[in-house]
Amino acid sequence: DTGVSQDPRHKITKRGQNVTFRCDPISEHNRLYWYRQTLGQGPEFLTYFQNEAQLEKSRLLSDRFSAERPKGSFSTLEIQRTEQGDSAMYLCASSPIGDTQYFGPGTRLTVL
Amino acid sequence: GNSVTQMEGPVTLSEEAFLTINCTYTATGYPSLFWYVQYPGEGLQLLLKATKADDKGSNKGFEATYRKETTSFHLEKGSVQVSDSAVYFCALSDVPLSGSARQLTFGSGTQLTVLP
Repeated sequence: DTGVSQDPRHKITKRGQNVTFRCDPISEHNRLYWYRQTLGQGPEFLTYFQNEAQLEKSRLLSDRFSAERPKGSFSTLEIQRTEQGDSAMYLCASSPIGDTQYFGPGTRLTVL
Repeated sequence: GNSVTQMEGPVTLSEEAFLTINCTYTATGYPSLFWYVQYPGEGLQLLLKATKADDKGSNKGFEATYRKETTSFHLEKGSVQVSDSAVYFCALSDVPLSGSARQLTFGSGTQLTVLP
């Protein structure tokens, strides 16, 4: 069990650029979640996959955000035309059947 | 909707002091309750959990009891160490009425600093 991994750990980009983050869940976990955490706050739910199907999306996930999990293993989160308000820590979590979620180290995005 | 309210920090204690971090929740169903800990520069680690009323979760000397009557899940430790310095998040997991995801709803976190 190598845990949930995320790449990159840090990303600095200019406003208007596109960015993509990757999450590799724990291998036998079929559920995968994305959260966003801003400074001094708890994480907020963005979206959820069960296997390759995206079953739930938060209202926080604007049209500029898209997430995929093409083969039910790793997932990507893309943000198009980044804005300064997108600066945050993006966290990925995975879980088996049941409700305990295991988090990765996060990707910290800074939009200049 | 679901919500979690945590005791505001920061909390500063001396080593070996007693710790309590208050957490109360509002939920529409029968949630599971969690405490996660976040060390500087790292992601969240599960500290303990409880899935039904009167359950007690415990780990590494930390404890919390699921109290349905007071909708609370307060975190306690009898004797804190410098290495316990971190941000602690209370969270609940419940299936929303409109979907299937057991998304977590978090409190805003409590920063704990333990001084030697």
